[in-house]
Amino acid sequence: NAGVTQTPKFQVLKTGQSMTLQCAQDMNHNSMYWYRQDPGMGLRLIYYSASEGTTDKGEVPNGYNVSRLNKREFSLRLESAAPSQTSVYFCASRSLRQGQNTEAFFGQGTRLTVV
Amino acid sequence: GESVGLHLPTLSVQEGDNSIINCAYSNSASDYFIWYKQESGKGPQFIIDIRSNMDKRQGQRVTVLLNKTVKHLSLQIAATQPGDSAVYFCAENGDSNYKLTFGKGTLLTVNP
Repeated sequence: NAGVTQTPKFQVLKTGQSMTLQCAQDMNHNSMYWYRQDPGMGLRLIYYSASEGTTDKGEVPNGYNVSRLNKREFSLRLESAAPSQTSVYFCASRSLRQGQNTEAFFGQGTRLTVV
Repeated sequence: GESVGLHLPTLSVQEGDNSIINCAYSNSASDYFIWYKQESGKGPQFIIDIRSNMDKRQGQRVTVLLNKTVKHLSLQIAATQPGDSAVYFCAENGDSNYKLTFGKGTLLTVNP
């Protein structure tokens, strides 16, 4: 049981390049999330998918797009990377249990540097 | 709007002491709260959660207290160990069943 798996773990991009961060979970969770974490700051929500087939913007969606490919996979795409997108990106997943909120499980992160 | 903040950005304690990490939240609609631990280079790990119909919940060496009157959450770690050194985040669900909003975190350092 791998939990939440993110690829790649590290990436360096040049300004203007594009890339897709991949995330997969094997816990049969309905909801998936993408966060970014900058030094000295908490996690800020970029996009989330409450269930397969739906996606919604979080606090900082500008410059990103997402795809909920199926129940397991949720990808984050940077179409034209900017230095301001240098950050550590975390994917997470969770499900309601008997209609109640539960904890989110996180991947190990993707450290992205845009030069 | 939704916001979760911490009173203390850093906390340094001696091994064996008890630690208390505080968190303030502003969304009175929040009914679910989580504490996470994040070690360097890793993703956040779940520690303990609490629902708004409770004031206190205990785990192994950890206790979470919720004061809805003043919108305050705390994490108590008993007999703090060097392995407890990490950044601790509180998170709340706000008025959504799907979103979690995180505070900025407190760095806990345990001195041997």
